[in-house]
Amino acid sequence: RKEVEQDPGPFNVPEGATVAFNCTYSNSASQSFFWYRQDCRKEPKLLMSVYSSGNEDGRFTAQLNRASQYISLLIRDSKLSDSATYLCVVEGGSYIPTFGRGTSLIVHP
Amino acid sequence: EAGVTQFPSHSVIEKGQTVTLRCDPISGHDNLYWYRRVMGKEIKFLLHFVKESKQDESGMPNNRFLAERTGGTYSTLKVQPAELEDSGVYFCASSQVEGWAGELFFGEGSRLTVL
Repeated sequence: RKEVEQDPGPFNVPEGATVAFNCTYSNSASQSFFWYRQDCRKEPKLLMSVYSSGNEDGRFTAQLNRASQYISLLIRDSKLSDSATYLCVVEGGSYIPTFGRGTSLIVHP
Repeated sequence: EAGVTQFPSHSVIEKGQTVTLRCDPISGHDNLYWYRRVMGKEIKFLLHFVKESKQDESGMPNNRFLAERTGGTYSTLKVQPAELEDSGVYFCASSQVEGWAGELFFGEGSRLTVL
């Protein structure tokens, strides 16, 4: 089993849609969770941290379910500029940031 | 403030040749990570420096890869001799927070093509 697994995508949605991504992780001892965004041929950049109680940043909401070992990212009112690959990052063994494969989002007019 | 810089941005070499990739982290960031993304796969961890010390090099594929961070500033990743399967994008990232609970700042990556 991979350490971090994500929905394969791509997700192809119209502007204004709500879309959700899930990510599962295998290390039950993980304490740190993040969503990163990567634009085509660019470097990953932090989108948001994921806190135990769930957290929101504008149109983006992140949730953590420790019992089931998954995290989610919800994007409301999708914009064309949201098109990117969304990477789930989880603290792995030895505190190493471990990446999922990423989920591609395409928002069309 | 300058971000993480990597050089070269793209390198095309033949199998058996040597390539050295360089990363300059954000000034003051003690933690430096090397990752690699092979097409269609996830970004995979290679190794982690804390200052000049290798904290974890469990992700290094084999002994053809050598990473250094002399003086705890910039880092180099040498591949010698390069093989076809070494092609991919090599990312460097740095962070300030010990034990990683904070943000990783990535460079734009060095794309390596081995022919």
